Amino acid sequence: EAQVTQNPRYLITVTGKKLTVTCSQNMNHEYMSWYRQDPGLGLRQIYYSMNVEVTDKGDVPEGYKVSRKEKRNFPLILESPSPNQTSLYFCASRDRGRGVTEAFFGQGTRLTVV
Amino acid sequence: SQQGEEDPQALSIQEGENATMNCSYKTSINNLQWYRQNSGRGLVHLILIRSNEREKHSGRLRVTLDTSKKSSSLLITASRAADTASYFCATDARGSARQLTFGSGTQLTVLP
Repeated sequence: EAQVTQNPRYLITVTGKKLTVTCSQNMNHEYMSWYRQDPGLGLRQIYYSMNVEVTDKGDVPEGYKVSRKEKRNFPLILESPSPNQTSLYFCASRDRGRGVTEAFFGQGTRLTVV
Repeated sequence: SQQGEEDPQALSIQEGENATMNCSYKTSINNLQWYRQNSGRGLVHLILIRSNEREKHSGRLRVTLDTSKKSSSLLITASRAADTASYFCATDARGSARQLTFGSGTQLTVLP
């Protein structure tokens, strides 16, 4: 089954404690992205990757890191989480195609930083 | 920055009625997509319309695109309680490698 898998689904952590949210897709997609979703603000892109070892900042990259060492995986790293990073996070992947392709989303990770 | 902005922010209708949601965007696009999100879940792709298309249908969904006004609308006909969800438009900007940019969404509630 084609899917994007995020882990964990729920996470409560304390300020400053490094954490990683994993994302894996089994569709051999080139493009992967991370978004955060906050009430009234929709989805805002954090980082995106067009292929292995190719990553770039989205609209709200501060406080986040990513890596793309393998095509299927795109982890999101919070080196020193702060309460303003409490949010619902989504990973998405997309086939490169000719640019006219749909995105597939993971089920989301609800992060609370206290 | 938000590319797509949906209108209205919230919409409540009776089962059987039609629901119309609008999306405005700012830059030139390759295509525009609509997604659905059930509460707290991942987004699911509904329909895509290319920049050279004006209207597209899929089941009970009808999407229009007016590139001169930089706007799109999503019509759900004969709505059902199961259509209750948030709906987002997403733009695929021309000349941009940044992938899809989402708006803030319309929360649709269909009352039985």
